[in-house]
Amino acid sequence: GAVVSQHPSRVICKSGTSVKIECRSLDFQATTMFWYRQFPKQSLMLMATSNEGSKATYEQGVEKDKFLINHASLTLSTLTVTSAHPEDSSFYICSARDLGGGRFTGELFFGEGSRLTVL
Amino acid sequence: GENVEQHPSTLSVQEGDSAVIKCTYSDSASNYFPWYKQELGKRPQLIIDIRSNVGEKKDQRIAVTLNKTAKHFSLHITETQPEDSAVYFCAASGELGSYKLIFGSGTRLLVRP
Repeated sequence: GAVVSQHPSRVICKSGTSVKIECRSLDFQATTMFWYRQFPKQSLMLMATSNEGSKATYEQGVEKDKFLINHASLTLSTLTVTSAHPEDSSFYICSARDLGGGRFTGELFFGEGSRLTVL
Repeated sequence: GENVEQHPSTLSVQEGDSAVIKCTYSDSASNYFPWYKQELGKRPQLIIDIRSNVGEKKDQRIAVTLNKTAKHFSLHITETQPEDSAVYFCAASGELGSYKLIFGSGTRLLVRP
């Protein structure tokens, strides 16, 4: 299947610092990417839809100033957790769908996930 | 918006038995229903999906059924094996044209050898 790569896989930071997570579609163009958050033993909660060349669309209850999303190219979306606090510690997973009519049209592919720990 | 409920939260079966996981959705406009398998610490992997123009789909030991009228869909795994043990998530497409997925709460499946 198509590959979505996420980096870093693990990050530990001090409270108050900002952390950037990258999500790349390696073999298809993704005009839309999605960012999910997953707490231990819980489901994937959609945070926002990242749109290439325009502002991200955030789900209700997600602070846009806290979770900055940038989708500057057809293969890269970034999530920046600003002024991170311990409650932001979580597993963040990006995903992308190939909507370009290629081999993988329609299927949602996930990155490896990034485990953020805020001390 | 779309809301997806999934049951049961945990399921333990003997190897060789069948496992069934059920989901209901709220938005009648949803038209795409995938199932994902997630092993501990790994990314979710698509195992099967179904679109609203089909009532049933099968791929070897796994099958999915969809009842649009009742707005529920189910995952069926036959002849379960220990390697089927994982967390399974159902999902439904969100707002029409948005391509986003709303996930169920997950089912932890344990297949006992």
